Amino acid sequence: GAGVSQTPSNKVTEKGKYVELRCDPISGHTALYWYRQSLGQGPEFLIYFQGTGAADDSGLPNDRFFAVRPEGSVSTLKIQRTERGDSAVYLCASSPDSNSYEQYFGPGTRLTVT
Amino acid sequence: AQSVTQLGSHVSVSEGALVLLRCNYSSSVPPYLFWYVQYPNQGLQLLLKYTSAATLVKGINGFEAEFKKSETSFHLTKPSAHMSDAAEYFCAVSDRGYKLIFGSGTRLLVRP
Repeated sequence: GAGVSQTPSNKVTEKGKYVELRCDPISGHTALYWYRQSLGQGPEFLIYFQGTGAADDSGLPNDRFFAVRPEGSVSTLKIQRTERGDSAVYLCASSPDSNSYEQYFGPGTRLTVT
Repeated sequence: AQSVTQLGSHVSVSEGALVLLRCNYSSSVPPYLFWYVQYPNQGLQLLLKYTSAATLVKGINGFEAEFKKSETSFHLTKPSAHMSDAAEYFCAVSDRGYKLIFGSGTRLLVRP
């Protein structure tokens, strides 16, 4: 079946602009996760959704970052007033439920802020 | 707090040689441990996981890892490297919850 998909695959934006990154999880997966991977580093947790609600957003770096999942499927990560330090690969993952320890990752969106 | 240390940001082996990628973890509770592989421009793929059953875990593509509580280690091995194994490998720990804590990764280079 189809895996996790993320769009766009690449996004270049100017400092100060607003961006939205989209994640389509595997169909039927109720748990969804966002991670951020900076160059030369492992992924870092940002936020976790169980269904429509954000169960843990403790990894969001500041209030410029926000994520939604209004219908419990597709999720959008929103970044306001982008900064050069936001440049990274943003990874989305999903799992069947919160008790499943296997997370299935998408290919990521590479965000470059100029 | 949990953490993962991967020793060696780059490991180079000859094709057919043993692959050993090192991972040490810190956790205040019995952990779940994972190895993921990342090929260029692709997402992370789960290689194997330890969830408190057998300490020797076999994964895909001939990889295996052994959980050693006394050494707080979960090293990844493969008896014979193949060119297609060249990729970046990440070790991760979970406190049995949903949040994965990743190491900084080890890039495996395979020489012909």
